[in-house]
Amino acid sequence: GAVVSQHPSRVICKSGTSVKIECRSLDFQATTMFWYRQFPKQSLMLMATSNEGSKATYEQGVEKDKFLINHASLTLSTLTVTSAHPEDSSFYICSARDAGTANTGELFFGEGSRLTVL
Amino acid sequence: LAKTTQPISMDSYEGQEVNITCSHNNIATNDYITWYQQFPSQGPRFIIQGYKTKVTNEVASLFIPADRKSSTLSLPRVSLSDTAVYYCLVGDFGQYSSASKIIFGSGTRLSIRP
Repeated sequence: GAVVSQHPSRVICKSGTSVKIECRSLDFQATTMFWYRQFPKQSLMLMATSNEGSKATYEQGVEKDKFLINHASLTLSTLTVTSAHPEDSSFYICSARDAGTANTGELFFGEGSRLTVL
Repeated sequence: LAKTTQPISMDSYEGQEVNITCSHNNIATNDYITWYQQFPSQGPRFIIQGYKTKVTNEVASLFIPADRKSSTLSLPRVSLSDTAVYYCLVGDFGQYSSASKIIFGSGTRLSIRP
């Protein structure tokens, strides 16, 4: 089945640094990818919709200058947490739909990336 | 997207059948109902999807009444490994809706005991 891969799975950084997380669709093309953030014991919160070749669409309350999203190809979207602070520590998850999977509704998720900002 | 309501948590024992109900009173005509499972520190995993009546696959069944305002995920003979959070999602997951964003509700934390 379709696979979405995230890298890195874990990252620890110092406060003030920037961290890039990659999301790749391994065997299908994804014109749209979604980025979520999840805090412990909470549900996934949609941060933004990443559109290939155009600007991402951010959810209300998500700072676009803080969380930079680049969807440069049909198989890769990146999320960069700029000037990270401890409150940005979270589990970041990307997802994508295979447009060829007609009417199955399956949204494929990456393994997630756990960011810890010291 | 239709808002969903699920029980926050459920407990059961190995070998039992577990039914998790989700309410989605504002479901639209084009909306499908999809359930995901999530283990700690992992991305959600697709379980099953349906539009109406009953759908069954190798891991679960999904029951949807005629008015489609609710749905029930049925897990037969659960084991300890079924301990996870289960999310009910409702939205337009059709062929031409690949850009439709998916909003997660609170989910149901299922705990299975020996």
